[in-house]
Amino acid sequence: DTAVSQTPKYLVTQMGNDKSIKCEQNLGHDTMYWYKQDSKKFLKIMFSYNNKELIINETVPNRFSPKSPDKAHLNLHINSLELGDSAVYFCASSQARVHNSPLHFGNGTRLTVT
Amino acid sequence: SQQGEEDPQALSIQEGENATMNCSYKTSINNLQWYRQNSGRGLVHLILIRSNEREKHSGRLRVTLDTSKKSSSLLITASRAADTASYFCAPGSNYQLIWGAGTKLIIKP
Repeated sequence: DTAVSQTPKYLVTQMGNDKSIKCEQNLGHDTMYWYKQDSKKFLKIMFSYNNKELIINETVPNRFSPKSPDKAHLNLHINSLELGDSAVYFCASSQARVHNSPLHFGNGTRLTVT
Repeated sequence: SQQGEEDPQALSIQEGENATMNCSYKTSINNLQWYRQNSGRGLVHLILIRSNEREKHSGRLRVTLDTSKKSSSLLITASRAADTASYFCAPGSNYQLIWGAGTKLIIKP
């Protein structure tokens, strides 16, 4: 199936740990994103990559580091997890780097930090 | 804030009725997108309307855009139980989409 897939779906971990979330898209899109959705459902962009090049890097703690080994993959590594990192993280992709084409979202990774 | 702001925050209607959700924003835009999010799932794109368009239809969905008032509306006609979801507008500039917290729509059988 053509889709944006991210793993794991659920991630429960303790403060101070390091974790990674993986994302892959087989839509042939050049641009990929990481979004964070908080408990109030606000969706905030964290990073955007176009063809493996970082193009958006919002004000995100440097404990968060995206890595794009190729244009079909964008992984998110988080160091020294904090309670406030608990949220749902969504990966997305789009055909164009300019926001005039639809975004395709994965089903999210619910991160719970205890 | 530059984010899209949906109104109302929550809406509960009977199946078969029409549902209208509104979106306001503050910046100049190139387009505005509407998305649906079912519980526990990712967002699904519904409609993209460009800044030079005033109205767009897709099945039971009708989107309007008034750039002079910096507002948009999403109308879902003849609602169904499966339309129960959160709906987000995303005003778009060249650089990024700005998201609000969505309208939670509940369709009662």
